[in-house]
Amino acid sequence: GQNIDQPTEMTATEGAIVQINCTYQTSGFNGLFWYQQHAGEAPTFLSYNVLDGLEEKGRFSSFLSRSKGYSYLLLKELQMKDSASYLCAVRDSNYQLIWGAGTKLIIKP
Amino acid sequence: DTEVTQTPKHLVMGMTNKKSLKCEQHMGHRAMYWYKQKAKKPPELMFVYSYEKLSINESVPSRFSPECPNSSLLNLHLHALQPEDSALYLCASSQASWEIDTQYFGPGTRLTVL
Repeated sequence: GQNIDQPTEMTATEGAIVQINCTYQTSGFNGLFWYQQHAGEAPTFLSYNVLDGLEEKGRFSSFLSRSKGYSYLLLKELQMKDSASYLCAVRDSNYQLIWGAGTKLIIKP
Repeated sequence: DTEVTQTPKHLVMGMTNKKSLKCEQHMGHRAMYWYKQKAKKPPELMFVYSYEKLSINESVPSRFSPECPNSSLLNLHLHALQPEDSALYLCASSQASWEIDTQYFGPGTRLTVL
């Protein structure tokens, strides 16, 4: 079966750094996506990794290790507006997106 | 411009009603998607249109009927829904590329079935 695991919930402090992990077991791999979703809103695209290594985009970075089936999303200089769910999704051998259940990130002042 | 629009934003309907959800994109994308999302769950894929042809139907009940009138528009026709169909319905589009093919989502329609 196909499986993507993320922590259900994480809490961090404003101004700090947080790392959200994602491990996956899928039939094939054609890229990994991170999306941010605020409550009641649509997911918005954050990052994409298809090769091993780190992709940096401002305060957000995403890392991929294909041999370990592992990715993380790193958020720096946390702001209150970063409180949201973060969804990891893997594109499998059929080019379909398999979604993780999401990690709810709570930012405290 | 990465905008996908959806109407209406909210919809309340009875189990005997017929209604339609609409989605539009002007990014030149050739793949469009319908997802259903329940609270605190990830999006569940319902249908995929690729180059205006239905390419994926994830065993969705026939009370949901998709339609793709042209490459920019996607509709979801609803008939005889059940209360458990209440959810956020999301439309997304992508380039239909074998490469990155990022999906961009619309704001969703919050559907309540009474």
